[in-house]
Amino acid sequence: AIQLTQSPSSLSASVGDRVTITCRASQGISSALAWYQQKPGKPPKLLIYDASSLESGVPSRFSGSGSGTDFTLTISSLQPEDFATYYCQQFNSYPFTFGQGTRLDIK
Amino acid sequence: EVQLLESGGDLVQPGGSLRLSCAASGFTFSSYAMSWVRQAPGKGLEWVSAISGSGGTTYHADSVKGRFTISRDNSKNTLYLQMNSLRAEDTAVYYCAKYRTIRRDAFDIWGQGTMVTVSS
Repeated sequence: AIQLTQSPSSLSASVGDRVTITCRASQGISSALAWYQQKPGKPPKLLIYDASSLESGVPSRFSGSGSGTDFTLTISSLQPEDFATYYCQQFNSYPFTFGQGTRLDIK
Repeated sequence: EVQLLESGGDLVQPGGSLRLSCAASGFTFSSYAMSWVRQAPGKGLEWVSAISGSGGTTYHADSVKGRFTISRDNSKNTLYLQMNSLRAEDTAVYYCAKYRTIRRDAFDIWGQGTMVTVSS
């Protein structure tokens, strides 16, 4: 199974900051990667698919990049509603594994 | 409105069985592959099972293979997860999720989840 490793596991930042989260795959997955945001007690919300395509309705301050084994999610200017946990997930081959998550807290 | 609504979660003893359901609405159910994803309390997300739109192809995580079975009834727009030989480590919120396109490139719609607790 393909393993995804996110870094950092947790992050403290302030409103207005630029934040980058990294996801590394244990083997090449082309661009078959999605990013989700999850808030407590809620299901995940799709942000990015195909590594860099923004899901409809998601603010443009979110962006994704990368291919092969290294991927990043960037939030250009943090807003109060962005404090949540973020997960990457690969869709290259089953099982469609998730990263362990990155918790983004208010500094 | 596209919607998924899970049901069937409960408290069950180790070794017991449970069947989860996920009722879909607002889209052509039979055209989309579907999945189950779970999240243990305070933990991350774990992909569990997937099924093609026709129901003819299924996939399961190694952690549930031989114990869980995913199925669907396209006439009822409903997805199922039959869970047998349940263990304490199966305790989690179970979400059903819809693939964004036939390319299976992301989960764009998620249900609110149903809680399964395995405990004596």
